[in-house]
Amino acid sequence: GQNIDQPTEMTATEGAIVQINCTYQTSGFNGLFWYQQHAGEAPTFLSYNVLDGLEEKGRFSSFLSRSKGYSYLLLKELQMKDSASYLCAVRVSSGGSYIPTFGRGTSLIVHP
Amino acid sequence: DVKVTQSSRYLVKRTGEKVFLECVQDMDHENMFWYRQDPGLGLRLIYFSYDVKMKEKGDIPEGYSVSREKKERFSLILESASTNQTSMYLCASTSGQGSEQYFGPGTRLTVT
Repeated sequence: GQNIDQPTEMTATEGAIVQINCTYQTSGFNGLFWYQQHAGEAPTFLSYNVLDGLEEKGRFSSFLSRSKGYSYLLLKELQMKDSASYLCAVRVSSGGSYIPTFGRGTSLIVHP
Repeated sequence: DVKVTQSSRYLVKRTGEKVFLECVQDMDHENMFWYRQDPGLGLRLIYFSYDVKMKEKGDIPEGYSVSREKKERFSLILESASTNQTSMYLCASTSGQGSEQYFGPGTRLTVT
């Protein structure tokens, strides 16, 4: 099976930078996703990494090291609206299908 | 825009009732998924389908069944609802290339 770990909760100050880590142990790795989920809403896609390195998209960046089973999501210039849960999901290939498994999510609280 | 819709946002059912949760996507996606989301446990995969009339068990299929008679529609069935099935149920879809998942708005089911 898959084992995905991420911190349960983090707090940060508006305007600051925060890094949310995700470690995983899996077989058949086929990519890692980050999703954002505001309270009471559905998750929405943030980023995707399948090769090692950093992917930058505006204020958000995501990093992957496959050899270490490690990823992080970096949020810059934090805004109050960034308060949400951030879900790390590892996709594995299995019998021709692609199956994503989610971590338990990191609740980020941004305060003034 | 990809749109994934679910039949109800809120549902209250009695123990022992048969419950149908419907999910429809409009982007011709091959893969569809049903998750439940509970506090502290994250998103857990119940069933998924990679083609019409095909279904695969996820991590927690007990007490559930699914139906995929048409490509755009994936139904989750609780044969005999129990109180421990009170949860938020999320449907998602992806293309055959295993891209990011698009989620429906969720159905909050309460079983009394």
